[in-house]
Amino acid sequence: NAGVTQTPKFRVLKTGQSMTLLCAQDMNHEYMYWYRQDPGMGLRLIHYSVGEGTTAKGEVPDGYNVSRLKKQNFLLGLESAAPSQTSVYFCASSKENTEAFFGQGTRLTVV
Amino acid sequence: DQQVKQNSPSLSVQEGRISILNCDYTNSMFDYFLWYKKYPAEGPTFLISISSIKDKNEDGRFTVFLNKSAKHLSLHIVPSQPGDSAVYFCAASDVGTYKYIFGTGTRLKVLA
Repeated sequence: NAGVTQTPKFRVLKTGQSMTLLCAQDMNHEYMYWYRQDPGMGLRLIHYSVGEGTTAKGEVPDGYNVSRLKKQNFLLGLESAAPSQTSVYFCASSKENTEAFFGQGTRLTVV
Repeated sequence: DQQVKQNSPSLSVQEGRISILNCDYTNSMFDYFLWYKKYPAEGPTFLISISSIKDKNEDGRFTVFLNKSAKHLSLHIVPSQPGDSAVYFCAASDVGTYKYIFGTGTRLKVLA
């Protein structure tokens, strides 16, 4: 049972480059989330989705875009990476009104 | 403006004693609260939750207490074990938005 899988696990980008982080879940969950974790800041919600074809902004959406074309996948895109986007990114999924399950994280460094 | 606050960045407790982790929230619309545990280089894992219709929920060594009037929840771990050493996050959501908002975390160290 894979749960929530994030790809890639590590990535180094140069400032201005773009990339897409992929999140896949096999639990048939409606809701999916992208968070970033920074020292002293906890987990901050970037974007989330309440179902296939829907997306919504979280607490820190600027500089990121997302898409949920299939129920099991939630993509996070960085169009022009900045050093301030150096972080650990976590994807999560949940059913309605239950706990969210998290992936293992993607460590992104922007130089 | 932080809606979920964990004011203690760290906590050290002796093995076998009680660990109490605290969390405050500001949004009165929150009606579901969760605690997560996180080890280094891993994703957060769910620990225990409580809905706003309850004031206590227990699961083995873990108990969560909710004080709605004070907008405060706490996680009690009894007895504490060295394997409990991790970062603990509280989170909250309201039924209408389905968003989980997390606190900044408390690093618990259980001393053997």
